[in-house]
Amino acid sequence: NAGVTQTPKFRVLKTGQSMTLLCAQDMNHEYMYWYRQDPGMGLRLIHYSVGEGTTAKGEVPDGYNVSRLKKQNFLLGLESAAPSQTSVYFCASSYIEEDTGELFFGEGSRLTVL
Amino acid sequence: AQSVTQLGSHVSVSEGALVLLRCNYSSSVPPYLFWYVQYPNQGLQLLLKYTSAATLVKGINGFEAEFKKSETSFHLTKPSAHMSDAAEYFCAVNQGFQKLVFGTGTRLLVSP
Repeated sequence: NAGVTQTPKFRVLKTGQSMTLLCAQDMNHEYMYWYRQDPGMGLRLIHYSVGEGTTAKGEVPDGYNVSRLKKQNFLLGLESAAPSQTSVYFCASSYIEEDTGELFFGEGSRLTVL
Repeated sequence: AQSVTQLGSHVSVSEGALVLLRCNYSSSVPPYLFWYVQYPNQGLQLLLKYTSAATLVKGINGFEAEFKKSETSFHLTKPSAHMSDAAEYFCAVNQGFQKLVFGTGTRLLVSP
């Protein structure tokens, strides 16, 4: 059982380049999220989705776009990367039943923007 | 808006000593509160959660936390630290739709 899988795990970009991070979950979860983790700032929510075809903004959405065309996949895109987007990105998913906050996380994608 | 504050970015203990990691919450309604743990180069995993069923919550690996409304606290404790407990710990509160707001994290260092 793979759980939540993120690709790629590492990426180096130049300022202005674009890229897409892919998150796939095999637990049939309705909710999916993208967080970024920066030293001393904890995890901050970028975008989330409450079901296939839906997306919503989180706390720090600027500079990112997302799509949820299939229930099992949640894509995070950077159209024009900036050094401020250097971070570790985590995808997570959760059940719709019981609003209990148990999220299942991927292992992270480390992005460096030069 | 709901939020959590973790006191202390680093906590150092000796193996066998008590572990105490502090978390205070700010919420206008009864909150759902959580502790997550992150081991090096891994994602976060749930340690324990408070959903109003009981104020003392037991989690995995011998950790527990007590919800104290009068102090707006949800501190994480473990009676005896083990080397394998060295990790970063995050307190979090649920904003709804399972959207979690995380604290800034506390790195636990355990020395032999």
